[in-house]
Parts: sequence; structure tokens; C-alpha cells
Amino acid sequence: AQSVTQLDSQVPVFEEAPVELRCNYSSSVSVYLFWYVQYPNQGLQLLLKYLSGSTLVKGINGFEAEFNKSQTSFHLRKPSVHISDTAEYFCAVTARDDKIIFGKGTRLHILP
Amino acid sequence: KAGVTQTPRYLIKTRGQQVTLSCSPISGHRSVSWYQQTPGQGLQFLFEYFSETQRNKGNFPGRFSGRQFSNSRSEMNVSTLELGDSALYLCASSPEGLQNPGNTIYFGEGSWLTVV
Repeated sequence: AQSVTQLDSQVPVFEEAPVELRCNYSSSVSVYLFWYVQYPNQGLQLLLKYLSGSTLVKGINGFEAEFNKSQTSFHLRKPSVHISDTAEYFCAVTARDDKIIFGKGTRLHILP
Repeated sequence: KAGVTQTPRYLIKTRGQQVTLSCSPISGHRSVSWYQQTPGQGLQFLFEYFSETQRNKGNFPGRFSGRQFSNSRSEMNVSTLELGDSALYLCASSPEGLQNPGNTIYFGEGSWLTVV
């Protein structure tokens, strides 16, 4: 079975500053990793996913994440955040033929 | 192309009642999955339906059930409601389902259930 841990429940960051949202997973098999974003009063939207291949994955809205197998991490980064990035971000893991497991979420607060 | 549509968006029920939530997937998508989101437990997978068959199930009691119709529309039912069932219930659809991680899952805006 898989599990995923988002290390920070809230992250405050100044506008135009860089941000990293941390995600660690555990699994005994090969995994697929995802980052989703949830804007207030909306459903989830896929930011990016890692299935295989290049460990650096680029997503929408300028976000990217790096898959690190040795550290079992999949941290999300953005070099310069905007007020519109205010949202909750979820890391998720799944394996083939298994259910998807979400982290508890990280609220990103953009400070003016 | 219309997105995933969930109805109703908001509802209030009393303990002991039952509730049915509806989800219309994106046209052509055969998989519908359901999730419960609460502040304490976060986002948890309930179950997935694919071509009218339940394909996978999360760790929820039997009070939570679902079904999928031939047009891929899905309903979720919760019987004998408890206060702890208050949550945002999200539905998602995808062409081939969760068994193919390469699929993108598209979420609806959710149904807010309050149990009083």
C-alpha cells in the first residue's frame, strides 16, 4: 500500500518569491505521483504528474516538481508566485491497479 | 465540452436520514470516482465505477454506496447519516479510470453536505 505525507499544512510566502511545497511518499512498488490544486469553492485541478522518464516534471501555471526516488520525495516548486496562486495543493500517489491516496493538503498563502 | 457536473451543490440533512448525490461525467468518460473531503481527514477515496461496475473501494463503512448507469452518470448514497458525514463530496471522471495513471482525472466542484 502507498502513503503520502505533505510536510507543511500551511505555507506563507511573499508575492514574487519562490516557493516549495514538500511531499514525501512511501511504497513498495513503482508509483505514479501527482500534484493537484484546489481553488476556493472549486474542485481539484491537475497541476502535473510523474509517470516515468525524466524526473523533472513541468506543469501548468509555471509549476514544476522533481521526483527523487532515493529520498521518496516529489516536491512542488515555483520560482515566483502570484496572488492568484493562493489555493490548497494536494500531493497524491497511486500504483497500477490501486486506489489513489491524497496527502492532507498544503494551504499556500501569498502575502502582498 | 461540459465539465463534471455534481448536484446538488449544497444540502442539509438531519442525523439518521439518507442522501443521494449525483454526478454527470464528461461526455465519453467511462470512469467515475468519488471522494470525501473533510478538514480532519483530508481527501479520501470512496469508490470508482467503470462501465457500471465498481472497480475499487476505499475504507468506508457499508452506509456509503454508489452505482453507475449505462450513460456513465453516477450516484452516491449515504444511509443513516451521522454528524461526521458532513463533508465536501467530490466526483471525478476520466476516460479509462484510475487503473491507467496516464489518464487525467477531472473533478467536479463538489456537493457540500451538512448533517445536523
